[in-house]
Amino acid sequence: QAGLTQPPSVSKGLGQTATLTCVGNVYNVGNEGAAWLQQNPGHPPKLLSYRSNKRPSEISERFYASRSGDTASLTIIGLQPEDEADYYCSAWDSSLSAWVFGGGTRLTVL
Amino acid sequence: EVMLLESGGNLVQTGASLRLSCAASGFTFHRHAMNWVRQAPGKGLEWVSVIGGRGDGTFYAESVKGRFIISRDNSQNMVYLQMYGLRVDDTAVYYCAKEYDAFESWGRGTLVTV
Repeated sequence: QAGLTQPPSVSKGLGQTATLTCVGNVYNVGNEGAAWLQQNPGHPPKLLSYRSNKRPSEISERFYASRSGDTASLTIIGLQPEDEADYYCSAWDSSLSAWVFGGGTRLTVL
Repeated sequence: EVMLLESGGNLVQTGASLRLSCAASGFTFHRHAMNWVRQAPGKGLEWVSVIGGRGDGTFYAESVKGRFIISRDNSQNMVYLQMYGLRVDDTAVYYCAKEYDAFESWGRGTLVTV
């Protein structure tokens, strides 16, 4: 099954802003938007945002999600050491009747 | 508080069968679709299957279609994944995930090694 496309890695400095991208198509990201998940080693994923720009109440406002066409983005403002993790995007694909994930982006905070 | 607790993972031989269980609590179970998502060692997340809130509507990833069956028991707040014909590439941590527009809550996972 075709998945979403994410860069394998992104590195940014402490306090800087990182923008992670997720490219899909008209049937998934371009349709109902994407969700973003954060995963730390040895832990299950945690939902950061859904429907492209909605954020669970417990998630910091430093995490901002958006979408433009078939591309979803996650912007993390004021990077902290604890932001170093793997980030995945996901979306429902209406042509496949399946959820699809991106391959994940490892964010390194320098 | 939403809690999801997976169980049933084990070390099995190629071709074996295994049933995973997920016990849910802390939310109105029948109102939510439930998913299984897996993660092979050192790899990314792979969606496996979803079942609708009332057990209507099941969908599977191509990689497991015809070998895995998802089911649920709303009277017990349980969701299951029956796996047949297990292959080496089915080795992964299997997570149960509650769906609300996305994978809203996750269990800690159960390890299946083939």
